Amino acid sequence: NAGVTQTPKFQVLKTGQSMTLQCAQDMNHNSMYWYRQDPGMGLRLIYYSASEGTTDKGEVPNGYNVSRLNKREFSLRLESAAPSQTSVYFCASRPYGGSTTTGVGFSYNEQFFGPGTRLTVL
Amino acid sequence: GENVEQHPSTLSVQEGDSAVIKCTYSDSASNYFPWYKQELGKGPQLIIDIRSNVGEKKDQRIAVTLNKTAKHFSLHITETQPEDSAVYFCAASKVSGTYKYIFGTGTRLKVLA
Repeated sequence: NAGVTQTPKFQVLKTGQSMTLQCAQDMNHNSMYWYRQDPGMGLRLIYYSASEGTTDKGEVPNGYNVSRLNKREFSLRLESAAPSQTSVYFCASRPYGGSTTTGVGFSYNEQFFGPGTRLTVL
Repeated sequence: GENVEQHPSTLSVQEGDSAVIKCTYSDSASNYFPWYKQELGKGPQLIIDIRSNVGEKKDQRIAVTLNKTAKHFSLHITETQPEDSAVYFCAASKVSGTYKYIFGTGTRLKVLA
């Protein structure tokens, strides 16, 4: 059980290049999220997917697109990278789409985070 | 828009002392408040959470208190140890719909041996 995995771990891009950040979870979770983390600004939500087949914008969606490929995978695409997109990107997943209690060991509202992708845009 | 303020941004304590981190939220409809710990080079991990129908929750050396009227909630760590050194984030969320979190800006805690 690997939890939430992200690839790549590190990436350097030139301005204008495109790339896709991959995220997968093996916990059968319904909801998935993409955040960016910048110094002094905490984690800000870029996009989220409440369930397979749905996606929606978060706080800072400009310059990004997402695809919920299936229940396991949620990718983040930068079509034309800009230096302002230099950041650490985290993917997260959450077990349930509703408000019922979760299984043993879970807080029913907990989001589980991947290890992050450090992206630098030159 | 919705906002969560977190203070202090850095906190140094001697090993064995207590540490307190405070957060204030703006959306009165928020009713779920998790705290995450992030170690260097890793993703955040939930350490404790509280729902709005509870005023305090404790788990061994960590506790969270909530004042709904003032829209404040705090993390308390007692008998701090070097392994408590990390960045701590508070967040606010609503128990409905998509469960989006609004995170605070983080507190870097250093426990000095």
